[in-house]
Amino acid sequence: AQSVTQPDIHITVSEGASLELRCNYSYGATPYLFWYVQSPGQGLQLLLKYFSGDTLVQGIKGFEAEFKRSQSSFNLRKPSVHWSDAAEYFCAVERTDKLIFGTGTRLQVFP
Amino acid sequence: GAGVSQSPRYKVAKRGQDVALRCDPISGHVSLFWYQQALGQGPEFLTYFQNEAQLDKSGLPSDRFFAERPEGSVSTLKIQRTQQEDSAVYLCASSLGAAATYEQYFGPGTRLTVT
Repeated sequence: AQSVTQPDIHITVSEGASLELRCNYSYGATPYLFWYVQSPGQGLQLLLKYFSGDTLVQGIKGFEAEFKRSQSSFNLRKPSVHWSDAAEYFCAVERTDKLIFGTGTRLQVFP
Repeated sequence: GAGVSQSPRYKVAKRGQDVALRCDPISGHVSLFWYQQALGQGPEFLTYFQNEAQLDKSGLPSDRFFAERPEGSVSTLKIQRTQQEDSAVYLCASSLGAAATYEQYFGPGTRLTVT
């Protein structure tokens, strides 16, 4: 079955530390890939997307992600986390115009 | 400018009641999507409109769920005879175009609690 896997349910980091959130997908072809962030009471906000070309994509709020075809991964990274980054993060894949989401990773940031 | 708005933000329904959830997309957006997000889960696709045409309703969990977008703008998701398993946040998203490369903008959601 086609799916998106986010193996880490909950991650805790200290403010200023680096961050990597993992995402794996199980599709044969190269899909369109996305990372969204959801803060409490807020809608989902697009951080970045990958369609083709350069496998390292830059997004908003200092986030970046790298597409690795050989590993079927699209991991999200940030070199220095801020307390305001605490939220739920979702990886998603596009299939026939709709988005298929992973189960999310909750990020907690300690001062 | 105004983003996607949804109303009501919170809805409590007794089991067996019918509910209607409204989505106002960004003006001029062609595509409109509904997703269901259960507690602790990622959003799951319900249905998709391109203008007033419902192109995909493969995610609707049962025939108790019905969505419409009669004039290609505002959309309503209706759930008949609500069940406890319908408790979730219902998210609406809109995008400017029909292709997958257009960004989907999400509303804040409607939290439905069925008691």
